[in-house]
Amino acid sequence: SAVISQKPSRDICQRGTSLTIQCQVDSQVTMMFWYRQQPGQSLTLIATANQGSEATYESGFVIDKFPISRPNLTFSTLTVSNMSPEDSSIYLCSVEMGGRETQYFGPGTRLLVL
Amino acid sequence: SQELEQSPQSLIVQEGKNLTINCTSSKTLYGLYWYKQKYGEGLIFLMMLQKGGEEKSHEKITAKLDEKKQQSSLHITASQPSHAGIYLCGAGTLSNTGKLIFGQGTTLQVKP
Repeated sequence: SAVISQKPSRDICQRGTSLTIQCQVDSQVTMMFWYRQQPGQSLTLIATANQGSEATYESGFVIDKFPISRPNLTFSTLTVSNMSPEDSSIYLCSVEMGGRETQYFGPGTRLLVL
Repeated sequence: SQELEQSPQSLIVQEGKNLTINCTSSKTLYGLYWYKQKYGEGLIFLMMLQKGGEEKSHEKITAKLDEKKQQSSLHITASQPSHAGIYLCGAGTLSNTGKLIFGQGTTLQVKP
């Protein structure tokens, strides 16, 4: 299994500011993903973080709003830019291991935008 | 696009009772994942099913995938308060990119 940590675990931010969330894995993984879980909702994939190239974004999510970095096989960051109250969510990173056999999630970052 | 429907949306059971949560897909499932989430926290991986008719068990939790690979069930035997939480099913997609699509979740409360 993988041990995944995220920083910060939670934050309260003012609208118009940006927050960068870090995801660290204890082993090298090929596939890393970023999901969003809005209040009372299920998870929605934001993007796939690709190592050495630009992230692949899902419909409705754009790089200017959610820039992602993946400098190596154990680390990724997601930035939520120019935040508004609608960005208040739990943001989770996940990693795939064992060739689709398992996908593990980090503990999440709980974001509240005022 | 593929959608996952979970039922029931919420469930309250007495400790010791058995329960079943269902996850139904509009399309063939390419990998079905079950997770448990405590309120406001991350997801705990439970099981992954891939083959039609497959069944897996871990402690008191059993998950099955039907032969047509369009429905999965999660069964908890002799429920305990520690089983309380939100259960989510997630499905892989035909494009096999690793992306998961999730159901809306089933909230389980277990009364002591």
